[in-house]
Amino acid sequence: QKEVEQDPGPLSVPEGAIVSLNCTYSNSAFQYFMWYRQYSRKGPELLMYTYSSGNKEDGRFTAQVDKSSKYISLFIRDSQPSDSATYLCAMSGIGDKIIFGKGTRLHILP
Amino acid sequence: GAVVSQHPSRVICKSGTSVKIECRSLDFQATTMFWYRQFPKKSLMLMATSNEGSKATYEQGVEKDKFLINHASLTLSTLTVTSAHPEDSSFYICSARDIVAGGNEQYFGPGTRLTVT
Repeated sequence: QKEVEQDPGPLSVPEGAIVSLNCTYSNSAFQYFMWYRQYSRKGPELLMYTYSSGNKEDGRFTAQVDKSSKYISLFIRDSQPSDSATYLCAMSGIGDKIIFGKGTRLHILP
Repeated sequence: GAVVSQHPSRVICKSGTSVKIECRSLDFQATTMFWYRQFPKKSLMLMATSNEGSKATYEQGVEKDKFLINHASLTLSTLTVTSAHPEDSSFYICSARDIVAGGNEQYFGPGTRLTVT
């Protein structure tokens, strides 16, 4: 079993829809959970950063972490064509290197 | 805040030459920087962890003599691809950890696209 599993997609949704992206992981030592957005030929941009379990909201983005199920999610409300990108989940233990998912390609259809 | 720059953004070089890529944290200090490479439509592959003032830690399978890393200050790390070959063509991305923030998040540079002809 890989440390971090993420469906590569592509995921296509109509503009305005709620997008749900998720990852599962196997290492119970992970404490830090991140979501990055990467546009084509660009470096990843940190979107959300959470520590341990719980929810975090920032504008149209909500990150959820369920450590008991080893499952994290990113929700995007009122999706826009500009949200079309690859979304990478990432996680790590305290002071450890970050482990990335393979990324989910998202297409928002106008 | 938390801006990381890379230079150059794109470089084309001939086989056998060396190429240096710079990674700078512009508005924060980073004792630790990371170097990744990414192939088209693939995820990030960590190459090495660069620690200010000490030797870099390379991931398994990454040749330390081929990919020279120097982290001379809290805001600058360099990656030199020595004797580059076409198979070294890739997208190289650095990231930096903000020591003041104290968390584990990393901020990425915009990447450098290397093409070896």
